[in-house]
Amino acid sequence: EVQLVESGGGLVQPGGSLGLSCAASGFAFHNYAMHWVRQAPGKGLEWVAGISWNSVNIGYADSVKGRFTISRDNAKNSLFLHMNSLETEDTALYYCAKEYGGTSAFDSWGQGTLVTVSS
Amino acid sequence: SYEVTQPPSVSVSPGQSATITCSGDKLDAKYICWYQQKPGQSPVLVIYQDNKRPSGIPERFSGSNSGDTVTLTISGTQPIDEADYYCQAWDSSTAWGVFGGGTKLTVL
Repeated sequence: EVQLVESGGGLVQPGGSLGLSCAASGFAFHNYAMHWVRQAPGKGLEWVAGISWNSVNIGYADSVKGRFTISRDNAKNSLFLHMNSLETEDTALYYCAKEYGGTSAFDSWGQGTLVTVSS
Repeated sequence: SYEVTQPPSVSVSPGQSATITCSGDKLDAKYICWYQQKPGQSPVLVIYQDNKRPSGIPERFSGSNSGDTVTLTISGTQPIDEADYYCQAWDSSTAWGVFGGGTKLTVL
């Protein structure tokens, strides 16, 4: 069974930094592209960043480009998102999602970790 | 940046067909997928590559892509289908995933 477990969320002041992790199990993590998707309270889904299986291809939403960094450690079956210069608009539930075998669709999602940016 | 648009809400009577649209420029040139999200839960993939169903998704869910509008159809809608539905386009020319704003499906 595929499991994605996010961690690292919390309360941070505007301008601060935070690092999120996603522990993957139940599938060959090193074979799949992975993504971060966020959802602000009461709002819709927003794709944040994605990384290919070998970390060669990386992409970011315009809203986080230059502030967020996605990375992965295939040896540890882990996905990361490092967030700098956080803004109140970054407050959201952050989901880790697995790409469905090159289809550009996300077939497995974690439960999310909540990031709150507030003074 | 690329954008896709969905109606905020759709209502349907039980047993009828529900149609949710997603519009954007040249959508027929992009692969579209659809997600269902119920309150307090993570999204679930219900359609990928325009019209394919992942295993475990009921046959009443179907998708189509023509021109600038993509459609998710739920045939014989059941009360358990009440949820928010999001379309997602993949813009390989720029960067990756773009979600629509979501459509709240009400079954009444």
